[in-house]
Amino acid sequence: EPEVTQTPSHQVTQMGQEVILRCVPISNHLYFYWYRQILGQKVEFLVSFYNNEISEKSEIFDDQFSVERPDGSNFTLKIRSTKLEDSAMYFCASISTNSYNEQFFGPGTRLTVL
Amino acid sequence: LAKTTQPISMDSYEGQEVNITCSHNNIATNDYITWYQQFPSQGPRFIIQGYKTKVTNEVASLFIPADRKSSTLSLPRVSLSDTAVYYCLVGDFYNFNKFYFGSGTKLNVKP
Repeated sequence: EPEVTQTPSHQVTQMGQEVILRCVPISNHLYFYWYRQILGQKVEFLVSFYNNEISEKSEIFDDQFSVERPDGSNFTLKIRSTKLEDSAMYFCASISTNSYNEQFFGPGTRLTVL
Repeated sequence: LAKTTQPISMDSYEGQEVNITCSHNNIATNDYITWYQQFPSQGPRFIIQGYKTKVTNEVASLFIPADRKSSTLSLPRVSLSDTAVYYCLVGDFYNFNKFYFGSGTKLNVKP
């Protein structure tokens, strides 16, 4: 069964450093998402991406964040200058328009900012 | 996006049927209801989705009354492995741009 994959599974970085989190959505999916989940809290929407551009973003997704689909398969989330409060699980998800709103989530990347 | 309200936690025992209710008073005509399950340190996983009345699949049933202001996820004969957080989402059938996860219900299944 096709699945969303994410790398790395765990990323440790120093405050102020740039990180890039990578996702490979399911190949025939058209809508892509990033979410974050701070330990013990709910899943929070960050951004949606369709047709090579951002569809919607939350107030969390400020100028420090960016997304890209550089090669038609990868979908990346970049955090330019990490803060301690960026420590969280980051989940990528994708949707096929054949299965309305059934989002397929990746296993997540645990980001730890020291 | 319609706001959802769920109980923070529920306890159950193995073999019991569990019903988790979600309130969504401001649901709009185009909105449908989706439930996800999340285990610790994993991404959410789709369980079931519906618009009205009753939907059943191999893992759960979803009951939606006529006014659609609430919905109930029913898990038959739960096991220890059903211990997880369950999220109810309400979203526009034609708008894939944003999804709002509420606080979810932590289901704890005891032996």
